[in-house]
Amino acid sequence: DTGVSQDPRHKITKRGQNVTFRCDPISEHNRLYWYRQTLGQGPEFLTYFQNEAQLEKSRLLSNRFSAERPKGSFSTLEIQRTEQGDSAMYLCASSPRQGSGGYTFGSGTRLTVV
Amino acid sequence: AQSVTQPDIHITVSEGASLELRCNYSYGATPYLFWYVQSPGQGLQLLLKYFSGDTLVQGIKGFEAEFKRSQSSFNLRKPSVHWSDAAEYFCAVGGNGADKLIFGTGTRLQVFP
Repeated sequence: DTGVSQDPRHKITKRGQNVTFRCDPISEHNRLYWYRQTLGQGPEFLTYFQNEAQLEKSRLLSNRFSAERPKGSFSTLEIQRTEQGDSAMYLCASSPRQGSGGYTFGSGTRLTVV
Repeated sequence: AQSVTQPDIHITVSEGASLELRCNYSYGATPYLFWYVQSPGQGLQLLLKYFSGDTLVQGIKGFEAEFKRSQSSFNLRKPSVHWSDAAEYFCAVGGNGADKLIFGTGTRLQVFP
């Protein structure tokens, strides 16, 4: 097991374009989380899944953001009509059922909107 | 309101010196508490966690943290810092099952030789 993988590591896009990020969690982990981290801040919760079910979405997640985990394995996070304020590190994490062990984070996808 | 405060934005210590990073939390239920470390351009690595029981928790890389309910604190300590400990440290709090963690703004640790 290679841990949580995120792809791409870096993404530069023009304002108004759509972007999609992928996260592959640890295979036996049922829960998958997306967080966003801006410079000088701690990670902020965006959404999480248990298997394929999206159980909670933050109010930070505007209607331009959508996340899926179609088969309960990998997940995608799509941002439509990107804005400069979307520039951030997008972190994915996974945990076993109950989440009691603490998360395992991926290395993140750094998005820059120009 | 649920929140985590890390009062120190930036700390500088000499290699071999002791370290204490402060964390205070506000949480309405029994807190689950975590410390994570983040190296530049990397994701977060779990150092240690507290759920219940002994209030002094041992973690990886020689770190420990002490839960003090009366002070709503969960400070991270290390007796002797190594240059490789230079990184950003985040304290986080969650509830039962830790479905959603609330992170502090982090403390950047710089280590001088």
